[in-house]
Amino acid sequence: QSVLTQPPSASGTPGQRVTISCSGNSSNIGGNYVYWYQQLPGTAPKLLIYRNNQRPSGVPDRFSGSKSGTSASLAISGLRSEDEADYYCAAWDDSLSGWVFGGGTKLTVL
Amino acid sequence: QITLKESGPTLVKPTQTLSLTCTFSGFSLSTSGVGVGWIRQPPGKALEWLALIYWDDNKRYSPSLKSRLTITKDTSKNQVVLTMTNMDPVDTATYYCARSSGWFDPWGQGTLVTVSS
Repeated sequence: QSVLTQPPSASGTPGQRVTISCSGNSSNIGGNYVYWYQQLPGTAPKLLIYRNNQRPSGVPDRFSGSKSGTSASLAISGLRSEDEADYYCAAWDDSLSGWVFGGGTKLTVL
Repeated sequence: QITLKESGPTLVKPTQTLSLTCTFSGFSLSTSGVGVGWIRQPPGKALEWLALIYWDDNKRYSPSLKSRLTITKDTSKNQVVLTMTNMDPVDTATYYCARSSGWFDPWGQGTLVTVSS
């Protein structure tokens, strides 16, 4: 069982906006930054969002992150077929003194 | 350009010790704030953080695996080695290393390790 909770799946049609949630507690999301990773099929994870809502260079502004209390969300607007991937949230956990990941959300573009 | 690449055995037997090497370029592990971490992913399952070593040789381990893990660095060779003892079939996974500067980016391509007799 992952420390951070994500829905196992999400879906949308091209052009739609979808959101993926990530729930934790005060030791991880509540007190630290949240990060999002995108894992395309058969590839290594890639950083998508850092420090809750910052996009690395090269990441389209269709991707946005937010955090409130002990939960975070990843929003993808203008959904495209190439967005079909697994998405993981992550945060440092002060109680565990280590990194924790969510269980991942498989995004399907219908 | 920062790159990392994992290397090691693809097949290990139960109870054996696994040793994986992460060879990187484009950054130095002697730079303040920099680290290298290991993360694994069983087939079809989620990511699991294993260990992290910092530029000052500070180390962090997953509490659930701490007794089995050792992480070391060779700054001159730009390498980080992860050792995991007493391997079990449930440890079958793709093992990734990644640069850390507060978060993991970028990641290596990963190496699949199968534990089977």
